[in-house]
Amino acid sequence: ETGVTQSPTHLIKTRGQQVTLRCSSQSGHNTVSWYQQALGQGPQFIFQYYREEENGRGNFPPRFSGLQFPNYSSELNVNALELDDSALYLCASRSGQGNTGELFFGEGSRLTVL
Amino acid sequence: AQSVTQLGSHVSVSEGALVLLRCNYSSSVPPYLFWYVQYPNQGLQLLLKYTTGATLVKGINGFEAEFKKSETSFHLTKPSAHMSDAAEYFCAVTASNTGNQFYFGTGTSLTVIP
Repeated sequence: ETGVTQSPTHLIKTRGQQVTLRCSSQSGHNTVSWYQQALGQGPQFIFQYYREEENGRGNFPPRFSGLQFPNYSSELNVNALELDDSALYLCASRSGQGNTGELFFGEGSRLTVL
Repeated sequence: AQSVTQLGSHVSVSEGALVLLRCNYSSSVPPYLFWYVQYPNQGLQLLLKYTTGATLVKGINGFEAEFKKSETSFHLTKPSAHMSDAAEYFCAVTASNTGNQFYFGTGTSLTVIP
């Protein structure tokens, strides 16, 4: 069974640039969610995708957008990067969209914005 | 809305001593509660979860937690700490009305002293 994989693991961008982060869900999982974890903080929910549709969104501006593909992999796109976007971005997958299911996390993509 | 408060951002225990990490939650509907562990430069791994049924939940690596509705608590315990338990621990809550969002606490860093 393949777990959640994310790429790239580390990247550095400058203010105003755009970034795309990628996630492959665990085998058999059709729901993917993205979380932002700032240094010293807990993960904050960005959004969730279920069967290629966004079905939940946290308190993040529209410049944070995403996609889910037919194979349930997902992308997180962030436009017009700001210094405060520096964080660990975690992708999590699960089966179905009910809230009793645990989240399975990848190891994250660490973004540094200079 | 749901929220989680983790009391104590840093906890130190001696090897072999009791581990107690505190988590209090707020939820207007029956909560689903989780404890995750995060080792340096890694994603989050589920320790245990409470959804319904038995209020004392046993997880991996000898950890357990008890759901106490009257105290709105879900504290994590382990009878005897091992050096390998040193990590960051996150409590999380979700519920049927959260829009698929998990709410995480700010984390507790556990240090185990030899």
